[in-house]
Amino acid sequence: DGGITQSPKYLFRKEGQNVTLSCEQNLNHDAMYWYRQDPGQGLRLIYYSQIVNDFQKGDIAEGYSVSREKKESFPLTVTSAQKNPTAFYLCASSFGRAYSPLHFGNGTRLTVT
Amino acid sequence: AQTVTQSQPEMSVQEAETVTLSCTYDTSENNYYLFWYKQPPSRQMILVIRQEAYKQQNATENRFSVNFQKAAKSFSLKISDSQLGDTAMYFCASVGYSTLTFGKGTMLLVSP
Repeated sequence: DGGITQSPKYLFRKEGQNVTLSCEQNLNHDAMYWYRQDPGQGLRLIYYSQIVNDFQKGDIAEGYSVSREKKESFPLTVTSAQKNPTAFYLCASSFGRAYSPLHFGNGTRLTVT
Repeated sequence: AQTVTQSQPEMSVQEAETVTLSCTYDTSENNYYLFWYKQPPSRQMILVIRQEAYKQQNATENRFSVNFQKAAKSFSLKISDSQLGDTAMYFCASVGYSTLTFGKGTMLLVSP
């Protein structure tokens, strides 16, 4: 079955360490997105990519980095520069048109102590 | 920039009743799309319904329907015959040129 897979489901890191969250899709979608979800804040866009080897900053890109070397994969690195990295992270993909709904992964809960 | 406002942080309804969740948005786009997503306790985001702004007819998906008022920039979600499985966080979202902007969500609790 086609879908979008995020791993791991839970991730724990010490402050000062970089950490990479995985996101893979087999839906043949062109566009991929990373959102951060905090209580009472809704979903905020971190980065998005509409084509391989190209990506754009979202509303809260500081302290994060991404790559898009393959159509299927869009990993997110949370760097030590991100001041409040503990959050729930959602990856999504779509065909990239305005009317195309997003398909979401199950999310990764990152805890940094 | 687009903004989406959901003014009801929490709502509750009894099973089999009807409930309406509110959403207002602001956009400078002429053509845009509006969505409602549902996030149950599993935290899996699920598309509930989609509305195309140039269509005057309100979208309907089974028990879910919208009341789209373009001039007022309002996009409310009506859930009829509420079921326990409808308990979830509901997010309204709009998209114009490229990316989706989400509201902060409304937590809906359906009780027996």
